[in-house]
Amino acid sequence: NAGVTQTPKFQVLKTGQSMTLQCAQDMNHEYMSWYRQDPGMGLRLIHYSVGAGITDQGEVPNGYNVSRSTTEDFPLRLLSAAPSQTSVYFCASSQGQGNQKLFFGSGTQLSVL
Amino acid sequence: GQQVMQIPQYQHVQEGEDFTTYCNSSTTLSNIQWYKQRPGGHPVFLIQLVKSGEVKKQKRLTFQFGEAKKNSSLHITATQTTDVGTYFCAASNSGYALNFGKGTSLLVTP
Repeated sequence: NAGVTQTPKFQVLKTGQSMTLQCAQDMNHEYMSWYRQDPGMGLRLIHYSVGAGITDQGEVPNGYNVSRSTTEDFPLRLLSAAPSQTSVYFCASSQGQGNQKLFFGSGTQLSVL
Repeated sequence: GQQVMQIPQYQHVQEGEDFTTYCNSSTTLSNIQWYKQRPGGHPVFLIQLVKSGEVKKQKRLTFQFGEAKKNSSLHITATQTTDVGTYFCAASNSGYALNFGKGTSLLVTP
């Protein structure tokens, strides 16, 4: 099993550009989530999903969109990138609800110029 | 905001010294999890505590959940350079979304 796979690993965008961060898991986990990590701020929840077709907002959802059309995939979309979205993004999944053990991807380092 | 507060933010120890990080909540938690993130890596699950007063050990690591289920601690005995990283506690107040503390960054000097 590959676990949780995130692509790309690194990305540089210009302000106003759009892009999608990809996340896929092969563990048949119902729960998937996106976090951003900034120095001194820990991990902050952006969006999460408890199953295909179901998504909800976390602590810092503004500027990000998600969808969950399949159990395996949970892409994160930045519609118009801003410098404040420069961060490291982690996708994570778990079996059952979100209060179970999380498996993290290796992260995407995003810089918005 | 963050559901759980973690202290200290940073800790620098000499190899062989002990280390403790604390996690506190203003509300009663159903359970609490601990993760470790090595520099440049991703968070990795260490343990989950569920019961009031629960104590679990993993080699040199001891995890405790408070009697009131509002606080938790991670204690490392005789630190090694391999313990370097950031330790996070995480808890859920809804059963769906896991919220992380800001973490304690541990530096171990040989």
